[in-house]
Formats: sequence, structure tokens, C-alpha cells
Amino acid sequence: GENVEQHPSTLSVQEGDSAVIKCTYSDSASNYFPWYKQELGKGPQLIIDIRSNVGEKKDQRIAVTLNKTAKHFSLHITETQPEDSAVYFCAASFMNRDDKIIFGKGTRLHILP
Amino acid sequence: DGGITQSPKYLFRKEGQNVTLSCEQNLNHDAMYWYRQDPGQGLRLIYYSQIVNDFQKGDIAEGYSVSREKKESFPLTVTSAQKNPTAFYLCASTRVNYGYTFGSGTRLTVV
Repeated sequence: GENVEQHPSTLSVQEGDSAVIKCTYSDSASNYFPWYKQELGKGPQLIIDIRSNVGEKKDQRIAVTLNKTAKHFSLHITETQPEDSAVYFCAASFMNRDDKIIFGKGTRLHILP
Repeated sequence: DGGITQSPKYLFRKEGQNVTLSCEQNLNHDAMYWYRQDPGQGLRLIYYSQIVNDFQKGDIAEGYSVSREKKESFPLTVTSAQKNPTAFYLCASTRVNYGYTFGSGTRLTVV
């Protein structure tokens, strides 16, 4: 089955700098890669996703890149702001009827003033 | 607006007691999931259901039970057999080829 590794587990960056979180997956059949942001005491929220027919996707200050050959994908946050402080989860799945998504263990991002 | 609702937000359980966590969605999603999250930890899958009247065990199903009598509802019962139930419980739903929508969670504490 699929296995998703996420690094680092904790990341501290100065406000205004960029943050990068990296994930690797094991199942080459996986074709859908969402990223979730979880604020304290709340449920995770989908912030961006990418499908395997695309190498990069951007949404304002957030971007995700996918390297299918190496089986890794990354989340990039530019011009970080205090409200970016949260736990971020990457995930992978093969989108068919069985839509069970496999999550990484999460990265706690701290934005330093 | 469509969404997924979990209730209650906070729940307290006495030793030996069964409690039921509610999860309701009006997104017309086929699949629903229950996850457990311990402090500083990731998401662990308890049970999931892809269609009404059918569900499968996840990675940590022992001590939990579910039902899926309606498409909109997927309640989770934490039984007395679950020896360490204190955690944050998250419900999610999805439709084919899309990611999960999560509820806001229920924090369960044993007293």
C-alpha cells in the first residue's frame, strides 16, 4: 500500500521568508496529491492540490511542485505571514472509487516575528 | 452552504461508558471517514464507508463501532473497550476524484 513520508516535522521561519515542506510517496500509481492546513483546535482545510498530469500549481503565495519520477512533491509558501502558523499535512491517493487518502505525519510551521 | 458538521464540539466520558459522536454532511458525498488525532500527532484512520450500509475498518478500529444507515450520516461510537479514548476525532467526506472535506472535530476526554 501507499506510504507517505513528510519532512521536516517542525519548521521555523522568519516572517516574510519562504517555507518549504517536502513529501515522498511510495506507490507510483498515486495520481492525486492534496495539502491540508490545520489550525489549533480545528479540522484540516484543503489549501491546494495537484494531479499527476501537472508538474506545478500556484495559488497566490502557495505553490506545489510534483516530480513523478522521483515520487516526491513539495509545498512552497512565499512571503510568510503570522497566520501561516499551523500544522500542514501532505497526502497521496489513487483517485478511483476507493478514495482513501494516505496522509503524512504533518509539519508544524512557526512564523517568527 | 454545504458542509460537514460534527457534534458535540467537546464530550466527556466516564470510565466504562459508551459515547456516540455525530457526523452529518449535506455535500451529497458518497464516502465518509473517521480519524483520530492525538496531541502533536498525525491522523489515524478508524473506519470508513464508501456507500450506505457498508463500512470498513481502518488502522485502529478496535474499541470503536460505526453505522451508515443514511448517506448524510456516519456516527462513531466509542465503546468501553477503547481503553485510551481521549483524543481529537475528525470526520471527513469526499466524492470520487476529489479531496476530503473535514468537519471541525470533537474533543473527547475521559473523566
